[in-house]
Amino acid sequence: SQTIHQWPATLVQPVGSPLSLECTVEGTSNPNLYWYRQAAGRGLQLLFYSVGIGQISSEVPQNLSASRPQDRQFILSSKKLLLSDSGFYLCAWSVRGDEGAFFGQGTRLTVV
Amino acid sequence: AQSVTQLDSQVPVFEEAPVELRCNYSSSVSVYLFWYVQYPNQGLQLLLKYLSGSTLVKGINGFEAEFNKSQTSFHLRKPSVHISDTAEYFCAVSGTGGYQKVTFGTGTKLQVIP
Repeated sequence: SQTIHQWPATLVQPVGSPLSLECTVEGTSNPNLYWYRQAAGRGLQLLFYSVGIGQISSEVPQNLSASRPQDRQFILSSKKLLLSDSGFYLCAWSVRGDEGAFFGQGTRLTVV
Repeated sequence: AQSVTQLDSQVPVFEEAPVELRCNYSSSVSVYLFWYVQYPNQGLQLLLKYLSGSTLVKGINGFEAEFNKSQTSFHLRKPSVHISDTAEYFCAVSGTGGYQKVTFGTGTKLQVIP
């Protein structure tokens, strides 16, 4: 069966520090991969979408970047965190349209 | 391309009262429709989905949704809510082919008042 691993669960980072969040999917091949953010009062916001290795679509301009070095690995990064980067980050994957998307447990990032 | 609109960001409702969470979508192709639920500090879980056939779809925890193609809507309903239904609910749409992107609405927070 398919599983998705996202870590860490919580993270507290100082302003200006780098960020790396990792997401790994098991049990499927060539998934679509997504990074979402939930910030207070702003709903679910799609940050990045990937259909394959090295193929990343950025949905909103921001201080973050994403990479997909392997088929089932999706990494969210920042060189210098801002206070506004605080939020709940969710990784997800999908393959078939009739299955919908499957989510990791999320990472609570607090930038101080 | 598809899009999903959830007009209500928050919906307060008293316990044991009925609730409807609204979802409208836009798409130039045939779609699958989904509702997800998110409890605090967790990922999203599938509540129910519409693929084809009967327009009334039943899901877990007593929720149901009705697909209305002419109004491009997929509203979520429950006849009597419980405190445990307090959560955030997300509507989503996907095209019907393989390797389709799933597009989510921004979510509706359901607050059940005792």
